[in-house]
Amino acid sequence: QKEVEQNSGPLSVPEGAIASLNCTYSDRGSQSFFWYRQYSGKSPELIMFIYSNGDKEDGRFTAQLNKASQYVSLLIRDSQPSDSATYLCAFGRNDMRFGAGTRLTVKP
Amino acid sequence: DADVTQTPRNRITKTGKRIMLECSQTKGHDRMYWYRQDPGLGLRLIYYSFDVKDINKGEISDGYSVSRQAQAKFSLSLESAIPNQTALYFCATSPEGGANVLTFGAGSRLTVL
Repeated sequence: QKEVEQNSGPLSVPEGAIASLNCTYSDRGSQSFFWYRQYSGKSPELIMFIYSNGDKEDGRFTAQLNKASQYVSLLIRDSQPSDSATYLCAFGRNDMRFGAGTRLTVKP
Repeated sequence: DADVTQTPRNRITKTGKRIMLECSQTKGHDRMYWYRQDPGLGLRLIYYSFDVKDINKGEISDGYSVSRQAQAKFSLSLESAIPNQTALYFCATSPEGGANVLTFGAGSRLTVL
């Protein structure tokens, strides 16, 4: 059974701070890991994906993957109020499985 | 027009009624998925399809059925709706190969009384 666990939050950070979101997964065979952002009342949208151990950076976002520890994280640097949303991690090859999400609030 | 269109966007129905949620896409993607979202539980996979002749059960397929009428159309049916099927339902698509990035529809909110 594939499972994804996320830190439940909610997480609140001040504007300009680094927000750290974490996720663990159960399927050692998984190759790709995804972070989606979901604004209230909207559908999820992809932030980034990672499939190699280490860090992957895209603007203010950095995904970190540690396959040995079955751990993936998302760092948001210089957090903005517009980053306030629920962040979902997901993994899977054919049948994508999602975590419950972490709600992030960035306070001005 | 949206790349992934779901209809209806909102539906209120009664216990025991048959309900169909429809999804159509203009992305040209082969893969289509149905998820439901409940508060605190994230997205859970109901069914997915990789082409017209391929249907696969997800985590929570009991009480649901699907039909892939064409590459661009994937419908979800609740044969006899029950209150605990009240949820937000998302259709998603992804291309074959690559990183399996999902494109979601806007969602269909279903309330079963």
